[in-house]
Amino acid sequence: EAQVTQNPRYLITVTGKKLTVTCSQNMNHEYMSWYRQDPGLGLRQIYYSMNVEVTDKGDVPEGYKVSRKEKRNFPLILESPSPNQTSLYFCASAPPRTGRYGYTFGSGTRLTVV
Amino acid sequence: KQEVTQIPAALSVPEGENLVLNCSFTDSAIYNLQWFRQDPGKGLTSLLLIQSSQREQTSGRLNASLDKSSGRSTLYIAASQPGDSATYLCAVDQTGANNLFFGTGTRLTVIP
Repeated sequence: EAQVTQNPRYLITVTGKKLTVTCSQNMNHEYMSWYRQDPGLGLRQIYYSMNVEVTDKGDVPEGYKVSRKEKRNFPLILESPSPNQTSLYFCASAPPRTGRYGYTFGSGTRLTVV
Repeated sequence: KQEVTQIPAALSVPEGENLVLNCSFTDSAIYNLQWFRQDPGKGLTSLLLIQSSQREQTSGRLNASLDKSSGRSTLYIAASQPGDSATYLCAVDQTGANNLFFGTGTRLTVIP
């Protein structure tokens, strides 16, 4: 089944403790992206990657890091999480942007930073 | 920057009614527009995708239209059911931007 897999689904952590949220896709998509969703603010892009070893900032990159060492994986790293990073996070992937195909999203990771 | 607006923010209808959700966007240079469904605290399920060259797409009881020149899309749901209760999001894949621009959604409640 074609899918984007995120782990973990739920995570509670303490301020300052480094964490990684993993994202993997099995569709051989070149493009991958991370979003966060907050009430009243909708979905906002954190980082995206056009291909292996190519990453760039989205609208809200502060406090996050990403890497793209393999085509299928795009982990999101929070080096020193803070309470304002409490949110619902989504990973997405997409094929080349011809318009024929859309984005596929993971099931989300609910992160709480206390 | 592309701005996507969805009206209404919330909608409550009795079971069986036909309904229309609206989405408007400011920049017509798009690859496509996607409609998603999101259940509370859950992921995004893609419902329909309309390419920029298309006028509408249908899947079961759902029909989505696109008027690119006026920057509008509608999602029509026929014979609504309680299981349709969810938040519906439209998202625009804009030409030249490496981002999917989302509206803030319409929260639909279908009353049995």
